Amino acid sequence: EPEVTQTPSHQVTQMGQEVILRCVPISNHLYFYWYRQILGQKVEFLVSFYNNEISEKSEIFDDQFSVERPDGSNFTLKIRSTKLEDSAMYFCASSERGQVNQPQHFGDGTRLSIL
Amino acid sequence: GQSLEQPSEVTAVEGAIVQINCTYQTSGFYGLSWYQQHDGGAPTFLSYNALDGLEETGRFSSFLSRSDSYGYLLLQELQMKDSASYFCAVRPSNTGKLIFGQGTTLQVKP
Repeated sequence: EPEVTQTPSHQVTQMGQEVILRCVPISNHLYFYWYRQILGQKVEFLVSFYNNEISEKSEIFDDQFSVERPDGSNFTLKIRSTKLEDSAMYFCASSERGQVNQPQHFGDGTRLSIL
Repeated sequence: GQSLEQPSEVTAVEGAIVQINCTYQTSGFYGLSWYQQHDGGAPTFLSYNALDGLEETGRFSSFLSRSDSYGYLLLQELQMKDSASYFCAVRPSNTGKLIFGQGTTLQVKP
């Protein structure tokens, strides 16, 4: 069964450094998402992306964050200058279409640790 | 704003039936979904309700009452592997954004 793949599985970065989290969505999917989950807490929406542009973003997704689809397969999340509170599990998700009954398929996540 | 309420923990024995409730308050509503998460791994889609009523998928069923802003996930014939966290999630808009509840940790005992 097709999967959403994320790399790396664990990223350790010094505070203030830039980090790029990578995702390969399922190949025929058109809608892409990033979520984060701070340890022991709920999953929080960051951003949705369709047709090479952001369709919606949350309050968390401030100017330090950006997303990009640099080619036909990758979908990246960049954090420009990381803060301690950015430490979390970051999940990428994709869905085939944007209809509300379309399930989102999540990757296994990247655990980001900011030191 | 949006908020979802679900119990933090539920415990049940193998073979039993358990119901996990979810109440929500959202500015818009395009459906209620349920996701399963094992040990902080990838959330896995279980079910979706946009209209009132019961949706059945194998051992799992999900119910929605839009007038009550309430839904539940029903797990039957519980197995040890069902021990996990279960999240309800609302779509408040048609952009695909999911707003998750805090999650319910289900522990299945022998």
